[in-house]
Amino acid sequence: AQKVTQAQTEISVVEKEDVTLDCVYETRDTTYYLFWYKQPPSGELVFLIRRNSFDEQNEISGRYSWNFQKSTSSFNFTITASQVVDSAVYFCALSEAWNYGQNFVFGPGTRLSVLP
Amino acid sequence: DAGVTQSPTHLIKTRGQQVTLRCSPKSGHDTVSWYQQALGQGPQFIFQYYEEEERQRGNFPDRFSGHQFPNYSSELNVNALLLGDSALYLCASSLVQTGTGVKQYFGPGTRLTVT
Repeated sequence: AQKVTQAQTEISVVEKEDVTLDCVYETRDTTYYLFWYKQPPSGELVFLIRRNSFDEQNEISGRYSWNFQKSTSSFNFTITASQVVDSAVYFCALSEAWNYGQNFVFGPGTRLSVLP
Repeated sequence: DAGVTQSPTHLIKTRGQQVTLRCSPKSGHDTVSWYQQALGQGPQFIFQYYEEEERQRGNFPDRFSGHQFPNYSSELNVNALLLGDSALYLCASSLVQTGTGVKQYFGPGTRLTVT
């Protein structure tokens, strides 16, 4: 069965610090997709990144970077030089391609607080 | 370009009552999924509608039902409300594609409180 674990329940950092959010997933499929979503206090989930299981190339986009390692089933997300506006709950999600990738399994979320 | 919209924003119901939540997908999208997010937890998949039919369903009882209209908008109905149904209900829309990881766009949610 598919499962997503986010071991960090809450993280607090001071502005300008770097922070890494951990995500570990379980799936029996060889083709799957991983996502990170951000949920600010307004409640709406905001898409951050999508990665497919064939692409292990890590990427940097502005202050965000991702580290995908199939060998350890991890898909970690790093924010460099954090800002107060980054404060939100971050969710890692998994979808499997066999079902058109439409059924997301979300992790429990990590609440990030960036203090000024 | 309007994103996903949901109504109402907040709702308070009494145990045993029935509730209907509404969702309009992002322009151009044809698939709507519903999720339940209890306080402090991640969203859980309820079901998905495509071409006015329920295509997938999560582990939710039959008290949860839905509908999709020809204009792709959708409704989520919950009968015989329980206190445990109190949650944020999120609607997500997407464009159906096969063999790809579809990016879902989420609405702001409807906060349902059952007393």
